[in-house]
Amino acid sequence: GAVVSQHPSWVICKSGTSVKIECRSLDFQATTMFWYRQFPKQSLMLMATSNEGSKATYEQGVEKDKFLINHASLTLSTLTVTSAHPEDSSFYICSATDRGGEKLFFGSGTQLSVL
Amino acid sequence: SQQGEEGPQALSIQEGENATMNCSYKTSINNLQWYRQNSGRGLVHLILIRSNEREKHSGRLRVTLDTSKKSSSLLITASRAADTASYFCATDADSWGKLQFGAGTQVVVTP
Repeated sequence: GAVVSQHPSWVICKSGTSVKIECRSLDFQATTMFWYRQFPKQSLMLMATSNEGSKATYEQGVEKDKFLINHASLTLSTLTVTSAHPEDSSFYICSATDRGGEKLFFGSGTQLSVL
Repeated sequence: SQQGEEGPQALSIQEGENATMNCSYKTSINNLQWYRQNSGRGLVHLILIRSNEREKHSGRLRVTLDTSKKSSSLLITASRAADTASYFCATDADSWGKLQFGAGTQVVVTP
């Protein structure tokens, strides 16, 4: 079964609203989680690295005030797309690693469509 | 440009044929991984090859790594229609799990 659960699988929202995406590790402690974005027919681009209990590190060009990441526990990280606009429509996917750096698992992704 | 560039962009083959795709990268790496993604879905991990390894097999998959040329190849033998998907290479240079993905190769296997 899946060891990283991502929810929701898809979401449709109106422009200007905020959307929260959850990424949970089910049977291990995820000290680090990563968030990626994928536009149609393109590759995955790393958005940010999230370490439990500390602020996320964002990649160049990713607006930290727009994409709020919270990693308050060892099993949960959330990505909130604030004031979403149609250009934020994309496939968002998380991954998680454990403390020993041996496990790396991806969530099943979230398709966000902003109308 | 992006770490982990791949070729070809798209590949169309018939069942039973072999599919080969390549990946190049720019900086030193710890590991290189290959993933498969079905349309609109999450990633499926296929194989990981470490920087000190040159070749690795897993079922019908064969991966090579040439660190001197900073390149890797993925070979799928005796392809099946179910192999239809996009394939991505990914490297981690900074830290484990922090991946830079290649552009991907879209493979279509027709019956």
